[in-house]
Amino acid sequence: NAGVMQNPRHLVRRRGQEARLRCSPVKGHSHVYWYRQLPEEGLKFMVYLQKENIIDESGMPKERFSAEFPKEGPSILRIQQVVRGDSAAYFCASSQSSGGTDTQYFGPGTRLTVL
Amino acid sequence: DQQVKQNSPSLSVQEGRISILNCDYTNSMFDYFLWYKKYPAEGPTFLISISSIKDKNEDGRFTVFLNKSAKHLSLHIVPSQPGDSAVYFCAGASGNTGKLIFGQGTTLQVKP
Repeated sequence: NAGVMQNPRHLVRRRGQEARLRCSPVKGHSHVYWYRQLPEEGLKFMVYLQKENIIDESGMPKERFSAEFPKEGPSILRIQQVVRGDSAAYFCASSQSSGGTDTQYFGPGTRLTVL
Repeated sequence: DQQVKQNSPSLSVQEGRISILNCDYTNSMFDYFLWYKKYPAEGPTFLISISSIKDKNEDGRFTVFLNKSAKHLSLHIVPSQPGDSAVYFCAGASGNTGKLIFGQGTTLQVKP
């Protein structure tokens, strides 16, 4: 299966801890996007990255959240000092080229629960 | 500001009949629209897309219609099958930004 992989699938953290979510894009895709889905809502764009570059982080909260997509290895979404409001499903998507016209393929998501 | 709206939270249809899911948008900069289907505990799966220069795109049982003057698009599924039961999201995109703006989703239930 050469689709988008995300791990862990489920993550439980206590308030104040750090959460690290990993995403391996489709092989050959160099564009990665992170979205968040709060309960009973649609997916909300967070950040768009290419290898080693953040292209658009307009949807990312200014504090506690960061993302990277290093030259080697998966993309990482990092949430520091988690709060209950961070509980959500976090989805990663990848595409072969840039721009909204190239189909984004989604991973299965990481469900973060903050106790 | 909800740029993409799916005003029907749920829809129930009989197997074999047509399912019509609707979506409205406000952002005139969107030049591409996509529909995704999502099962519980899974990621969204791409279904079909349409460029803003077209008014219809068809792929098997799925057809998407775009009415730019009304800023409205719809997804038609015919004939509907029980396996189509899922949450359907429409999304808009601008060609130069990459990010998708999603609606809230419509839960489709197809009854046998």
